[in-house]
Parts: sequence; C-alpha cells; structure tokens
Amino acid sequence: GNSVTQMEGPVTLSEEAFLTINCTYTATGYPSLFWYVQYPGEGLQLLLKATKADDKGSNKGFEATYRKETTSFHLEKGSVQVSDSAVYFCAPTFGIQGAQKLVFGQGTRLTINP
Amino acid sequence: NAGVTQTPKFRILKIGQSMTLQCTQDMNHNYMYWYRQDPGMGLKLIYYSVGAGITDKGEVPNGYNVSRSTTEDFPLRLELAAPSQTSVYFCASSLLAGGHTGELFFGEGSRLTVL
Repeated sequence: GNSVTQMEGPVTLSEEAFLTINCTYTATGYPSLFWYVQYPGEGLQLLLKATKADDKGSNKGFEATYRKETTSFHLEKGSVQVSDSAVYFCAPTFGIQGAQKLVFGQGTRLTINP
Repeated sequence: NAGVTQTPKFRILKIGQSMTLQCTQDMNHNYMYWYRQDPGMGLKLIYYSVGAGITDKGEVPNGYNVSRSTTEDFPLRLELAAPSQTSVYFCASSLLAGGHTGELFFGEGSRLTVL
C-alpha cells in the first residue's frame, strides 16, 4: 500500500542553522509529493510541491527534490528563522476515483531559538 | 478572503451526545475532505466528496456521517460521541482532481473533546 515515513521530532535548532527533515514514501505508482506547514493555532497550508521525478519544489527558502530512485522528498532550508517554527508534514498524494488522497506523515515539530 | 470556514472551533461533548461540525468553502471547489488529527499523529482521512451528492469513505469513517447537498457545504456528523473521537478535525477542499494537481485548502480546525 501507500505510506509515508517522516523524521520524528521534535527538532530544535538555533536561528540561521541548516535544516533537513527527512521524508520517504512507499507507493505502487508515482505520486505527487507535497510538504505542508502548520503554524500554531492554524490549519495546514501548502509549503511546496513536486509532481515528477527530479522536480525541485521551493518556497520561502525551503527546497525539496523528488527522488524517485530513493523514494524520498527531504525538506531543506539553508538558514532557518524563528518564524519557521511550526509543524511540517510530508504528504504524497494518490488519485482515488478522481479525488486526491494525501497520505500524511506524522508531522515534525520544529522550534527555532533566537 | 474566507476560503474554508469551520465551526465551531472548540466543543466539549459528553459520551453519547451527537453534534455536527460545519464546513463551508467559497472557492467553488468540487472536492472536499474531512480529516482528523490526533496528538503527535498525521492527518487521517475520514470522508471525502467529489461533488454535490457524492460522498465516500476514507481511512477512518466509523462513527461519522457526512452529506454534500451543495458545492459549498460539507458537514460532518458525529453520532453517539465516544472518547476515541477526541481530536482536532480539519475540513479541506481542492479545485482539481487526480494525483498531480495539488493544493488542498484547509480550515483552521475544530477541537473536539468527548468526556
């Protein structure tokens, strides 16, 4: 079946540190890959996405590359800020009867200290 | 810019009570979803809808019911509330179908506690 494994948190870093949050998936096909972010007290919002192999999604200084050979979609940022503190979810998506079924990882809570 | 609106934001129920979580979107999206988020866990799909009058079960539908009489509204009903239904519930919608389109738009969530 389809599943996703995400790096467990919580992760605590100092401002300007380098960030990597690992995400790997298992799939019978070739899903589109997404990272969502949830800021405190809010719903999830799309951070970035990649729809085919070797695509790189990027937004707000975050990047992730669709690696088909390793079935991975690791999230990276070169220099994190306090405002990046949030919970990050990796979510491959699979089509089901015309709808999109996202399979969410358990989330990684990131805290950035000044 | 309303987007996806959920009510109520917080609710405490007693075991055996019933309630409806409301969800409305103003983006004319065909596809709507209900997820639940348990502490330290990812989101699990409860029900989804591909258009008015069409609904289907997700991963964890037991104890819930939905209806979709209009494009805008997708209420989630809890019958006979149980402590296991204590969770944060998110409604979401999307414009396009298939596996390569992408963005789901989420409401702010409804925190439900069953005592």
